Amino acid sequence: EAGVVQSPRYKIIEKKQPVAFWCNPISGHNTLYWYLQNLGQGPELLIRYENEEAVDDSQLPKDRFSAERLKGVDSTLKIQPAELGDSAVYLCASSLGSGGTYNEQFFGPGTRLTVL
Amino acid sequence: GQSLEQPSEVTAVEGAIVQINCTYQTSGFYGLSWYQQHDGGAPTFLSYNALDGLEETGRFSSFLSRSDSYGYLLLQELQMKDSASYFCAVRGRGGKLIFGQGTELSVKP
Repeated sequence: EAGVVQSPRYKIIEKKQPVAFWCNPISGHNTLYWYLQNLGQGPELLIRYENEEAVDDSQLPKDRFSAERLKGVDSTLKIQPAELGDSAVYLCASSLGSGGTYNEQFFGPGTRLTVL
Repeated sequence: GQSLEQPSEVTAVEGAIVQINCTYQTSGFYGLSWYQQHDGGAPTFLSYNALDGLEETGRFSSFLSRSDSYGYLLLQELQMKDSASYFCAVRGRGGKLIFGQGTELSVKP
């Protein structure tokens, strides 16, 4: 079974440029998460989707960040314009669901973003 | 607010036993998870405790005391490949995970 797929793995851009990250979750997983991980820190949730609905985006900086999961499968996270402080690893994770019995979150390898 | 505390780094030798502690302050607590992350890799799930007590999975065990807002991950028969960062994470409402800052484990020969 394929795991969570993310692309690109690495991205280097200059500040003020736009950037987009793509994630394809594990087949059948209804819940999709985007996390940000700074060096030496734990992942921090940016947004959670249940199918195509964003049910928790309270931590997403909406002035420059946007995300979509149009058909409830793959998802795109965008930053426009990027700032120096956005340099981090952007992780995507998926799970079967998010309520009731614990559903393990499976993480992708992440996209390492460097903003120059 | 919500916060988790765990040691920033731990060093141990091959074959030894190491315990990584985690204390938390959070609302809406549903359980405590542990994840392992190798350098440059994806976090991978190790264990989950919803109730008090010890959960054992092979060489790894995890413990939770809800009354003390405390848990730990116990790694036995340490191997070099266990060198990684270990994160505790509180599971909140809607499956949301709030991660600690991680403990970097170095296993020496």
